[in-house]
Amino acid sequence: AQSVTQLGSHVSVSEGALVLLRCNYSSSVPPYLFWYVQYPNQGLQLLLKYTSAATLVKGINGFEAEFKKSETSFHLTKPSAHMSDAAEYFCAVSPYSGAGSYQLTFGKGTKLSVIP
Amino acid sequence: ETGVTQSPTHLIKTRGQQVTLRCSSQSGHNTVSWYQQALGQGPQFIFQYYREEENGRGNFPPRFSGLQFPNYSSELNVNALELDDSALYLCASNADRGTDTQYFGPGTRLTVL
Repeated sequence: AQSVTQLGSHVSVSEGALVLLRCNYSSSVPPYLFWYVQYPNQGLQLLLKYTSAATLVKGINGFEAEFKKSETSFHLTKPSAHMSDAAEYFCAVSPYSGAGSYQLTFGKGTKLSVIP
Repeated sequence: ETGVTQSPTHLIKTRGQQVTLRCSSQSGHNTVSWYQQALGQGPQFIFQYYREEENGRGNFPPRFSGLQFPNYSSELNVNALELDDSALYLCASNADRGTDTQYFGPGTRLTVL
């Protein structure tokens, strides 16, 4: 069984400040981890994914995340927030047994607000 | 643009009715997954189809069923609608089993009255 906990349902940062969105996971098998972004009235867009290669993963729009097995964490960061980063962010985990594609378990999401 | 489209955009039904939601994927996307996103929650995995066969199912009752067609389209059917079925329904597709990114459609907003 797998689960994801996102700490903080709402995070506010000033434009230009560091963005840090927290994600902790629980998984009984080696996990594959993802961060998605959702803009209002839109579907989900993949920011980045960890699939057991490098532990520091770089994604689109300047985001990156670091897989820390000892802490069971996969926090998302961006050095400098931009107004266009305001959206809801979801962390997700999936097993991959080789039998099929990713079947994602999502956290409840963190809404990011960027203050001018 | 993800190349995944869903129809309709919005839908209103009454309790007890049946509904069919549709998803159209990119050519070559043999895997399609459906998710339910209740208001203020993260998406929940409903089921996945690979080459027209069910390839995994989440914790949803049998009144949620699906079909996948050879033309890269798929359907989610929900029978005996309940108020709690009100949600955004998302489909996601990818080209190969486990090796490609899942691309999400914009979703169908279902309201059950």
